[in-house]
Amino acid sequence: DIQMTQFPSSLSASVGDRVTITCRASQGISSYLAWYQQKPGKVPNLLIYGASTLQSGVPSRFSGSGSGTDFTLTISSLQPEDVATYYCQKTNSAPWTFGQGTRVEIK
Amino acid sequence: EVQVVQSGAELKKPGESLKISCKGSGYSFSHSWFGWVRQMPGKGLEWMGMVYLDDSDTRYSPTFKGQVTISVDKSITTAYLQWSSLKASDTAMYYCAVSVAPIPGYWGQGTQVTVAS
Repeated sequence: DIQMTQFPSSLSASVGDRVTITCRASQGISSYLAWYQQKPGKVPNLLIYGASTLQSGVPSRFSGSGSGTDFTLTISSLQPEDVATYYCQKTNSAPWTFGQGTRVEIK
Repeated sequence: EVQVVQSGAELKKPGESLKISCKGSGYSFSHSWFGWVRQMPGKGLEWMGMVYLDDSDTRYSPTFKGQVTISVDKSITTAYLQWSSLKASDTAMYYCAVSVAPIPGYWGQGTQVTVAS
């Protein structure tokens, strides 16, 4: 099965900083990648699908890129409400494996 | 508007059986997959498996194959996650996520399962 590796596992940045999270698939998955944001005690929220399509209602400071094996989620200007854990997920074929998650905190 | 509603929290004893549910509404779920995700306390998201509404084709993560059963009742657009004999280690939040192309997941509110003697 294809493994999904996210890095870093955690990061701390200042408000207004540009933040980048990387997700790497052990084999190519074309653009079948989604990104989720999960705040403590809350249901995961879909941010990006198809590697780069912003889900309706998601702020434009979030963007996704990549295809094949390497993908990135970028927050162009980190806001206090972005404190959360972010997960990538492959969606091309079963199993739809998640990455281990990246915890984002404010410095 | 797509809505995904899961059954309520459960408190069970080790060895008991359990079936939790996930109902989709507000959309034609033809060609949709209903998936299940486990989140143990303080841990990440784990994809368990999914079932295709149209023909009940079911796929499991190797980790969960043989440990749970996923099924669906197309007539009421409801999927199920079932255990025959619960263990304390099954204590977790279980999420249902419905894939309606191109959206990979409309998520339910989660079902807390607690297994304790």
